[in-house]
Amino acid sequence: NAGVTQTPKFQVLKTGQSMTLQCAQDMNHEYMSWYRQDPGMGLRLIHYSVGAGITDQGEVPNGYNVSRSTTEDFPLRLLSAAPSQTSVYFCASRRTGVSNYGYTFGSGTRLTVV
Amino acid sequence: RKEVEQDPGPFNVPEGATVAFNCTYSNSASQSFFWYRQDCRKEPKLLMSVYSSGNEDGRFTAQLNRASQYISLLIRDSKLSDSATYLCVVNTGFQKLVFGTGTRLLVSP
Repeated sequence: NAGVTQTPKFQVLKTGQSMTLQCAQDMNHEYMSWYRQDPGMGLRLIHYSVGAGITDQGEVPNGYNVSRSTTEDFPLRLLSAAPSQTSVYFCASRRTGVSNYGYTFGSGTRLTVV
Repeated sequence: RKEVEQDPGPFNVPEGATVAFNCTYSNSASQSFFWYRQDCRKEPKLLMSVYSSGNEDGRFTAQLNRASQYISLLIRDSKLSDSATYLCVVNTGFQKLVFGTGTRLLVSP
C-alpha cells in the first residue's frame, strides 16, 4: 500500500500566486485532514473531511480551500499565497470507527512563499 | 494556556536508560489520546494510542490520568534509534486532533 501520498514535496511560490497541494490515500479511509506545522507551534488543523462531499474548517482555515469529491483525494488550495503560509503541510487520514484509531500522515509538502 | 502542553526538552540520556515524558491537556471532554513520534524533517508516525488502563508495547508504556488530565510515556532500555521528537496528541472531539509541540529525545552511546 502506498498509504497517504502528497505532492509536491517542495514548492516555492511568489506572493499572490495560487496552487493546489495534492493528497491521495489508498486505504479507503473516510476521515482526512490537513495540518500545517510551524516551529514552536505544533501541528495545527486547517480543514478536515469525514467523507466524500463533507468538509469543515479547523483551527486555521483562512486562506485555504478544500473539497472532497472522492474518498481517495483531498486537495488543499491556497487561494492567494502569503509569506505567512510558509510552512510544512501534512495530510492525514484514518478509518472510521472507534476514536482510538490513529491518523496516518503523508510525508509532507514544504512550501515557501516569497 | 495551550490545550496540550509538553516539556520541549531536549532529554539527553545514555543508551539503556529509562526516560519518561509527561503531557497535560486542558479539555476535560477529550476523547482519545495518542503518542506520535516524529523524526527530523519527517512526518509524524503513530507510536501508540493511550488507554485509561495503561498500555504497553514492547519497551514503551503509556498511561492516562483523566482526573489530573495528563498522559505519560515511558521508554525503557533506550536505543540510539529512539532519538526523535515525541508528540502528545489529544482528540478533543469529532476528528479534531490537538498536538503538543513535542518533546525532543536524544539518546547517546
